[in-house]
Amino acid sequence: DIQMTQSPSSVSASVGDRVTITCRASQGISNWLAWYQQKPGKAPKLLIYAASSLQSGVPSRFSGSGSGTDFTLTISSLQPEDFATYYCQQANSFPLTFGGGTKVEIK
Amino acid sequence: EVQLLESGGGLVQPGGSLRLSCAASGFTFSSYAMSWVRQAPGKGLEWVSTISGSGGSTYYADSVKGRFTISRDNSKNTLYLQMNSLRAEDTAVYYCAKYLGSCSGGSCPRWFDPWGQGTLVTVSS
Repeated sequence: DIQMTQSPSSVSASVGDRVTITCRASQGISNWLAWYQQKPGKAPKLLIYAASSLQSGVPSRFSGSGSGTDFTLTISSLQPEDFATYYCQQANSFPLTFGGGTKVEIK
Repeated sequence: EVQLLESGGGLVQPGGSLRLSCAASGFTFSSYAMSWVRQAPGKGLEWVSTISGSGGSTYYADSVKGRFTISRDNSKNTLYLQMNSLRAEDTAVYYCAKYLGSCSGGSCPRWFDPWGQGTLVTVSS
């Protein structure tokens, strides 16, 4: 199975800050990676797929990069509605696996 | 608008069974693979199972293989998850989710969008 490791597990940031979350796969997955945002009590929402493609309707302050084993989600200027937990997911092979999550909290 | 609505969750005793349903609307249901993903209270996301658009291919996490069965009725636009021999560790919110796109040339976009609102399954005596 492919293990997905996210870091950090939590980050405290202020509105307007640039936030970067990393995700590392235990083996190469090319660009078969997605990022999701989840707010408390809500279903996850797809932000980025194929490592760097922005899902329709997602603000352009979200961006993704990487290939192979190392990936990054960047929020260029954090907004109040961005405080949430973020998960990466590898889509290269079954079993599909998620990272442990990164909680973005208000500083 | 694509909508997914889960139902069937509830409290069940260890060793018991439950069947979850996910009613889909707003898209050609038979053209898309569908999945179940669960989230234990306060924990992260765990993929459970996926079924192809035709229903001919199914995939399971090791943690549920042999106990859970995914199926679909394309005439009713409904996805199911039959859960047997339930354990305390199966307690979670269960989400159904649609693949972002349809499979083509053997390549499937195994990203989930959208997700349903989730249904809570509690396994406890």
